[in-house]
Amino acid sequence: DTEVTQTPKHLVMGMTNKKSLKCEQHMGHRAMYWYKQKAKKPPELMFVYSYEKLSINESVPSRFSPECPNSSLLNLHLHALQPEDSALYLCASSQDTGQGWNSPLHFGNGTRLTVT
Amino acid sequence: AQSVTQLGSHVSVSEGALVLLRCNYSSSVPPYLFWYVQYPNQGLQLLLKYTSAATLVKGINGFEAEFKKSETSFHLTKPSAHMSDAAEYFCAVRLKDGSSNTGKLIFGQGTTLQVKP
Repeated sequence: DTEVTQTPKHLVMGMTNKKSLKCEQHMGHRAMYWYKQKAKKPPELMFVYSYEKLSINESVPSRFSPECPNSSLLNLHLHALQPEDSALYLCASSQDTGQGWNSPLHFGNGTRLTVT
Repeated sequence: AQSVTQLGSHVSVSEGALVLLRCNYSSSVPPYLFWYVQYPNQGLQLLLKYTSAATLVKGINGFEAEFKKSETSFHLTKPSAHMSDAAEYFCAVRLKDGSSNTGKLIFGQGTTLQVKP
């Protein structure tokens, strides 16, 4: 069982829809991450939140909007997506982002997103 | 720029045979290295991590990896493959983001391990 919970597991949305992906962890981690993974490819970093503040945005298009309401929750709001945005979206958390460079990331099982 | 390179996108072994998955890193400073496994339709699970305390690192499911600075390598091995080991394996390095002092986890391209009966 993963300690990072992502909902929903699957999501199908049209290009005009607005939807949100949710991620929750109760390990007391202060850093949370969104990754995008296309089939047969490694995960690609999208966003990093550190202590509930956005610290990294890897030049992600504005149709993806992250939100960190508190230290346990991370959302990814989706609007006007394109079919090429279809992918597995992975959430992760880690104990910290700064001094503990050996802190591993703990991943959820992801949300499989299909944009039609 | 620092990165990790996984040699061989696909490795096939027989059940019971040695598993060797290769990872080389590019860095002037010993990085923080990890191996993750991904089973179909699942997230990534941490196999092991290198933290400079020991060059031979033991992980879960019988896997281990040896950090060799002279070769800038962190290869993953398992003495005897099991059918359940068939999965995608990623080597990853924790890097400091230049503009934010935040740690990013960057993945190699991945190696698909096939285990034949």
